[in-house]
Amino acid sequence: KAGVTQTPRYLIKTRGQQVTLSCSPISGHRSVSWYQQTPGQGLQFLFEYFSETQRNKGNFPGRFSGRQFSNSRSEMNVSTLELGDSALYLCASSFLGSAGGNEAFFGQGTRLTVV
Amino acid sequence: TQLLEQSPQFLSIQEGENLTVYCNSSSVFSSLQWYRQEPGEGPVLLVTVVTGGEVKKLKRLTFQFGDARKDSSLHITAAQPGDTGLYLCAGARNQFYFGTGTSLTVIP
Repeated sequence: KAGVTQTPRYLIKTRGQQVTLSCSPISGHRSVSWYQQTPGQGLQFLFEYFSETQRNKGNFPGRFSGRQFSNSRSEMNVSTLELGDSALYLCASSFLGSAGGNEAFFGQGTRLTVV
Repeated sequence: TQLLEQSPQFLSIQEGENLTVYCNSSSVFSSLQWYRQEPGEGPVLLVTVVTGGEVKKLKRLTFQFGDARKDSSLHITAAQPGDTGLYLCAGARNQFYFGTGTSLTVIP
């Protein structure tokens, strides 16, 4: 069974640009959660999608958005990039999501560097 | 406000020593997970504990879930350099909550 796949693994962008990150969850999993990880802040919750609906959202500005497709694949978009957006972005998939009390399985992450 | 607090935040020990990492919360969780993360990679699930008082063993790692399902501990016996990494506890409520993390370095 394939794991969670995130693409791309590495990305370098310029301030002001926008970026789209992709996450393919484990087959059969309907929930995808996104996190931002930085050395100083740890894992910060961005949002969770379940069956194409955003179920929950963390405290991030509106520049951060996401969506989920009918095949459960998810994308995360960050517009008007700032230097502080440089981080490891992690996607986690689970069968029923946080409401179901399941464990989450992570992808390898996308390392975004904003210059 | 962090729902799950881990201690210690940093730990540096010699190979062969034992250690315990704690994960505490004032909230009850239906289950808790422990992950290990290496630099630049995603966290890898180690174990899930579900029942209050439950103890699970994974080779040299022993995981315990508190009786009240508010806390958990991870004990490593005879640590090895390969145990080096960031250890995270996590629990699910309306979202997945992650602990503050414990960065472990095992020196050969």
